[in-house]
Amino acid sequence: GEDVEQSLFLSVREGDSSVINCTYTDSSSTYLYWYKQEPGAGLQLLTYIFSNMDMKQDQRLTVLLNKKDKHLSLRIADTQTGDSAIYFCAERGGSYIPTFGRGTSLIVHP
Amino acid sequence: DTGVSQDPRHKITKRGQNVTFRCDPISEHNRLYWYRQTLGQGPEFLTYFQNEAQLEKSRLLSDRFSAERPKGSFSTLEIQRTEQGDSAMYLCASSDSTTGGSLSYGYTFGSGTRLTVV
Repeated sequence: GEDVEQSLFLSVREGDSSVINCTYTDSSSTYLYWYKQEPGAGLQLLTYIFSNMDMKQDQRLTVLLNKKDKHLSLRIADTQTGDSAIYFCAERGGSYIPTFGRGTSLIVHP
Repeated sequence: DTGVSQDPRHKITKRGQNVTFRCDPISEHNRLYWYRQTLGQGPEFLTYFQNEAQLEKSRLLSDRFSAERPKGSFSTLEIQRTEQGDSAMYLCASSDSTTGGSLSYGYTFGSGTRLTVV
């Protein structure tokens, strides 16, 4: 079955860039997503990328996709304390059912 | 439309009791999903509906779990004879498959119902 892997923690200093990585196994993935979850809240869609794209930029967010290696990354430029949260990578193939990773806890310190 | 609403936000129940959660999706969305999330884990798929039809169920969804979406709008998830292992956050999400472009916009999640079984 599908599997999505992420590192569990990332700690950065305020103002630095953060890079959160994700690998997935489903070669039929058509869409890949990044979601943000703050404590006690649901998941908020940050951005997505279609599988025929290599890169997508949206303000401070840059998504890179290496389809050959099944590797997805999310770069957050000028990371702020308000970016502290758990970030989930998700992929979706033809089944329309997204599969999520365990999440990366991003800690931003002054 | 204020997004996906879930009710209640929190539920504490004794082991063996039945509980029911409700989800109101975004009104234009024809697909509705239920996920379960435990501490330190990502959301795990339980089941999904397209309109009123339940199209897929995960093996995680034991016989004690049942979900309905009777008129293709809101949905309910019932857990019978709750066990301590059912303690989790239950998330609902919706999406729209009726226009090609919207398939790329992902899934809108509610804030979840946190269930604690004591």
